[in-house]
Amino acid sequence: DTAVSQTPKYLVTQMGNDKSIKCEQNLGHDTMYWYKQDSKKFLKIMFSYNNKELIINETVPNRFSPKSPDKAHLNLHINSLELGDSAVYFCASSRGTTQETQYFGPGTRLLVL
Amino acid sequence: KQEVTQIPAALSVPEGENLVLNCSFTDSAIYNLQWFRQDPGKGLTSLLLIQSSQREQTSGRLNASLDKSSGRSTLYIAASQPGDSATYLCAVPLYNTDKLIFGTGTRLQVFP
Repeated sequence: DTAVSQTPKYLVTQMGNDKSIKCEQNLGHDTMYWYKQDSKKFLKIMFSYNNKELIINETVPNRFSPKSPDKAHLNLHINSLELGDSAVYFCASSRGTTQETQYFGPGTRLLVL
Repeated sequence: KQEVTQIPAALSVPEGENLVLNCSFTDSAIYNLQWFRQDPGKGLTSLLLIQSSQREQTSGRLNASLDKSSGRSTLYIAASQPGDSATYLCAVPLYNTDKLIFGTGTRLQVFP
């Protein structure tokens, strides 16, 4: 009965490959997010979707493409992986307004070799 | 531009101590402020959310205060336990958006 789940938990891949990370929330929330936590542990938002529509798109390379097939899912596809993409990627969700708590998934640890 | 900083960056205390973690933000036009806990190799757990109209929020041994005008929040942990060891992050949403701006974190270690 995990609220926000991500798969895979760990991902090790070669430079240049394409990979996807999946996120699902069973909280009935309207808004979902992707965050990146770098090696210095600094967390920064990448994308936000509300009811399957893109709301926030930070300065992220267009190799990163989020996809929301429905309100409960927000997947992150990364093309042509680079060494600098190595990080922990967190998915989160909230009821959709700035007044609400954001609930985070356990993270996906991506290592690009 | 909203910037969020946390002091100290790291803290090591013996079990049983009361302690205070600090969070500062540069733009006081915030809807709320949220405190999270991150355990090593794990995701974030929301601890407390204080709305801009509130001054304090309590949950068990945790008490968070908010002073919007001075751009500060504190997280008070009473009677610390080894299980409290984690990194504590504060975050504020950028005004009129859902975009959370995170602080730099305080890494807390409570030893027996």
